[in-house]
Amino acid sequence: QKEVEQDPGPLSVPEGAIVSLNCTYSNSAFQYFMWYRQYSRKGPELLMYTYSSGNKEDGRFTAQVDKSSKYISLFIRDSQPSDSATYLCAMSDVGYGQNFVFGPGTRLSVLP
Amino acid sequence: NAGVTQTPKFQVLKTGQSMTLQCAQDMNHNSMYWYRQDPGMGLRLIYYSASEGTTDKGEVPNGYNVSRLNKREFSLRLESAAPSQTSVYFCASSDEGWGATSTDTQYFGPGTRLTVL
Repeated sequence: QKEVEQDPGPLSVPEGAIVSLNCTYSNSAFQYFMWYRQYSRKGPELLMYTYSSGNKEDGRFTAQVDKSSKYISLFIRDSQPSDSATYLCAMSDVGYGQNFVFGPGTRLSVLP
Repeated sequence: NAGVTQTPKFQVLKTGQSMTLQCAQDMNHNSMYWYRQDPGMGLRLIYYSASEGTTDKGEVPNGYNVSRLNKREFSLRLESAAPSQTSVYFCASSDEGWGATSTDTQYFGPGTRLTVL
């Protein structure tokens, strides 16, 4: 079993839809959870991070962490064609250094 | 600020050839990383450098060497390339998070697409 699992997609939605992206993990020591967005042929860029459990909102994006279920989610409201990208989840037990584990990414297409 | 820059953008090698991937950052970050990204595998850490003069192996270091030349530059060398090293290579650097609940923010370069025939 991989340490971090993520549905690779592709996921296609119409513009304006609410998108839900998810990751599951097996290491209960993880307490830092991140979402990266990666456009085609570009490097990943940090979108959101959450410490421990709970929700975090930033504009159209909401990150949720459920440590009891070892499950994290990223919700995108009012999705736009510019949101079309691959979304990577990442997690860490200490939040710094070489201890980040990345999911394989979910490819999202938002159709106009 | 250019952020994190990588050269070259693309490279094709024959099995057994050697090459060095270059990375530089202008954000005065202490930590730098080399990752490889393969389909379905996610980003996997090859080597990490916490500061100038120090390097540590990551998850997949075999077949690679690194040099932290100074605070700005971190290079990755393939001494004898193999087809299994065909991948997209990303360099990243990070600023240290502040406080117990913050995290390093890693900034990634645009990547080098390497094909080994």
